[in-house]
Amino acid sequence: DADVTQTPRNRITKTGKRIMLECSQTKGHDRMYWYRQDPGLGLRLIYYSFDVKDINKGEISDGYSVSRQAQAKFSLSLESAIPNQTALYFCATSDGTGLVAFFGQGTRLTVV
Amino acid sequence: KNEVEQSPQNLTAQEGEFITINCSYSVGISALHWLQQHPGGGIVSLFMLSSGKKKHGRLIATINIQEKHSSLHITASHPRDSAVYICAVGRIQGAQKLVFGQGTRLTINP
Repeated sequence: DADVTQTPRNRITKTGKRIMLECSQTKGHDRMYWYRQDPGLGLRLIYYSFDVKDINKGEISDGYSVSRQAQAKFSLSLESAIPNQTALYFCATSDGTGLVAFFGQGTRLTVV
Repeated sequence: KNEVEQSPQNLTAQEGEFITINCSYSVGISALHWLQQHPGGGIVSLFMLSSGKKKHGRLIATINIQEKHSSLHITASHPRDSAVYICAVGRIQGAQKLVFGQGTRLTINP
């Protein structure tokens, strides 16, 4: 089993729909992250969490929300999806230094 | 200006060629990562280094802290090396520790 598992792997949704991307990890790490990847822009941080009660906005949090249900689970929601949220989304975990990251396989989201 | 810049953005080469991908950064770092992303999308870590040089098989990563520059080299390149290679730095300052370059898309033709 993968250390970091994302579901779904692919999703097509319509504009205005609510969608949730889920992430679970078996690394036992406290730190979890959601990133978005767009061509030519690299990975950009949406939200991060250093423990269950600590949620922080990243550089591009508008239009997104998160929930840290447990140490191992971190979900990303798009309350009302729009086409420019079409992207590849990655969940990651890291150790206490924040320097060593483990990534999920990614979720390819298309908003039509 | 991005804190992490990679060059080139795209690179196409023939099988067997020696490949170099460069990464420059502008912030104080404690470590630098080279990551590989295959067409299926998953990201895996190739190297983490904070000084000098590391080698794994045909891959070599070097870093020059004074010049704020790192290179990833691939010797005897093979079509299976085709992927996006991403440089990420671990910043000393700030809660958002990892900052990513935009990636280099490498295509190795047989």
